[in-house]
Amino acid sequence: DTAVSQTPKYLVTQMGNDKSIKCEQNLGHDTMYWYKQDSKKFLKIMFSYNNKELIINETVPNRFSPKSPDKAHLNLHINSLELGDSAVYFCASSPTPQSAQYFGPGTRLTVL
Amino acid sequence: SQQGEEDPQALSIQEGENATMNCSYKTSINNLQWYRQNSGRGLVHLILIRSNEREKHSGRLRVTLDTSKKSSSLLITASRAADTASYFCATDARGSQGNLIFGKGTKLSVKP
Repeated sequence: DTAVSQTPKYLVTQMGNDKSIKCEQNLGHDTMYWYKQDSKKFLKIMFSYNNKELIINETVPNRFSPKSPDKAHLNLHINSLELGDSAVYFCASSPTPQSAQYFGPGTRLTVL
Repeated sequence: SQQGEEDPQALSIQEGENATMNCSYKTSINNLQWYRQNSGRGLVHLILIRSNEREKHSGRLRVTLDTSKKSSSLLITASRAADTASYFCATDARGSQGNLIFGKGTKLSVKP
């Protein structure tokens, strides 16, 4: 059974479009995260969501917005996509904010 | 600012040899975690070491933490070709509520 799943695996879109990436975890974890991995493999935290509290990395543009319909899901919505948004986006979850994190397989976003 | 820095950036060894990767960080931490990422895949959690721990083992993995030097090391003993991957350290800084800060990673290549 997949612990943390993301859809789609690949996403190719034009500049200016709006897109969403979905994330689901079946581990019963309370905390979920979104990370961005750039072309140099550098991973950067974007958001964490724990008990309905959203913590936003201040460097993330407000075109990015996480949406959590329930504890098992944390979707990432991106407005007005830009070339620089091209990256691999990883969702993760953990039982508590200070425990090991379980990562999804990633979504490779390409903005043309 | 980036918290973790791994050293070396790349490491190539023969099967059976030991591999040591180092990580330095800048601020006080709750814990430090090591992750592995195979090419094109998500991250897999290896070990979490808390700020009050000095050494931890898991199978062929040994992690040390020196909070006075703000550094950690990951030792993989008797390496195998399947250990070929990128290894990242990530710090959970005090007050961050689980938002891990990742280093740039060490790319390990184990030749059969």
